[in-house]
Amino acid sequence: AQTVTQSQPEMSVQEAETVTLSCTYDTSESNYYLFWYKQPPSRQMILVIRQEAYKQQNATENRFSVNFQKAAKSFSLKISDSQLGDTAMYFCAFITSGTYKYIFGTGTRLKVLA
Amino acid sequence: KAGVTQTPRYLIKTRGQQVTLSCSPISGHRSVSWYQQTPGQGLQFLFEYFSETQRNKGNFPGRFSGRQFSNSRSEMNVSTLELGDSALYLCASSPPTGANYGYTFGSGTRLTVV
Repeated sequence: AQTVTQSQPEMSVQEAETVTLSCTYDTSESNYYLFWYKQPPSRQMILVIRQEAYKQQNATENRFSVNFQKAAKSFSLKISDSQLGDTAMYFCAFITSGTYKYIFGTGTRLKVLA
Repeated sequence: KAGVTQTPRYLIKTRGQQVTLSCSPISGHRSVSWYQQTPGQGLQFLFEYFSETQRNKGNFPGRFSGRQFSNSRSEMNVSTLELGDSALYLCASSPPTGANYGYTFGSGTRLTVV
């Protein structure tokens, strides 16, 4: 079965500090794509960052970066210089080619403290 | 460029009734996916449509159905509503390059069954 595990239901971080959200996944497929989505209280899911499994280089988007460890099936998200607007639920997900569906983790609720 | 539009935003229905939710994808996006989000189960895949064809379906009872029109707009229908159907229903569209490049989500329809 394909699964995503986010072991940290809730986290908090001080404004301007750095925080890392953990994600592990399980799939027997070799061709897949990994994502982090953010869901603020407004409910709309927003794509934060994307990683192609065949690329060894870790993806980076401004203050957001990932640590992708393919052998360990680990895909953590690092948020640098945390801002109050980063307060949200964060979901880790992946899709395997040809399935047309994402597998999501249960989410990590992140609160950035002023 | 307009985003993914879901209507209505909120809905209250009685057990046994049926409901239809609507989703208009981003212009040019031909793939529409539906997810059910609940606190206990997280995000669960319902189905995915591309050019009016259902390409994948999640593990939901037959009471859940969907369709896509020639203009790519999609509807999902839930018949004989149960209390457990109360959830946030999210629609997402993906670009012509595919869902591997990420979804754009709508703001969801919050369905409450009483």
